[in-house]
Amino acid sequence: ELKVEQNPLFLSMQEGKNYTIYCNYSTTSDRLYWYRQDPGKSLESLFVLLSNGAVKQEGRLMASLDTKARLSTLHITAAVHDLSATYFCAVDITMDSNYQLIWGAGTKLIIKP
Amino acid sequence: NAGVTQTPKFQVLKTGQSMTLQCAQDMNHNSMYWYRQDPGMGLRLIYYSASEGTTDKGEVPNGYNVSRLNKREFSLRLESAAPSQTSVYFCASRQGTDSYEQYFGPGTRLTVT
Repeated sequence: ELKVEQNPLFLSMQEGKNYTIYCNYSTTSDRLYWYRQDPGKSLESLFVLLSNGAVKQEGRLMASLDTKARLSTLHITAAVHDLSATYFCAVDITMDSNYQLIWGAGTKLIIKP
Repeated sequence: NAGVTQTPKFQVLKTGQSMTLQCAQDMNHNSMYWYRQDPGMGLRLIYYSASEGTTDKGEVPNGYNVSRLNKREFSLRLESAAPSQTSVYFCASRQGTDSYEQYFGPGTRLTVT
């Protein structure tokens, strides 16, 4: 069964702290994406990771991909309140010659001032 | 550019009623997707269109039909709405199924009573 598992599913943390969200997937893929969703809003692309060892950074967020372990991480450094959102990872898989995204359940991140 | 647009933004239906959700993109993308988002479950693919003239089922197609009207427009129809179809529906597009990130519309919040 195709699975994309995120943990934790809920995270409450203080401003200034560091933390990591994990995304494990069950099938071979070298294309992984991180999206952000604010409450009541649409999804916004954060990172596109396309190969083993890929690392991308934007501000206080850094994402990495280990295709051998089928694991991606989203690391938050010195969290600020504005990063409060739900974060989704999604894996591209090939089905019937087309790529489709399989989504994790999301990690709801609350950062307290 | 408007990107991906969806109408309506909100809709309340009674059980058994029908409706069509509209989606349009102005990025000249070939591939378009319909997802539903339920609390705690991430996004699930309902149908997709890899290119104009083609449509394929996703993970949860039952109770839905789609039409790829032209390259820009991809509609989702509920023929006989059921309470289990209460959800937020997102349309997305990308250049091609072998391209990378998907771009999302603002969503339609549907309640079936």
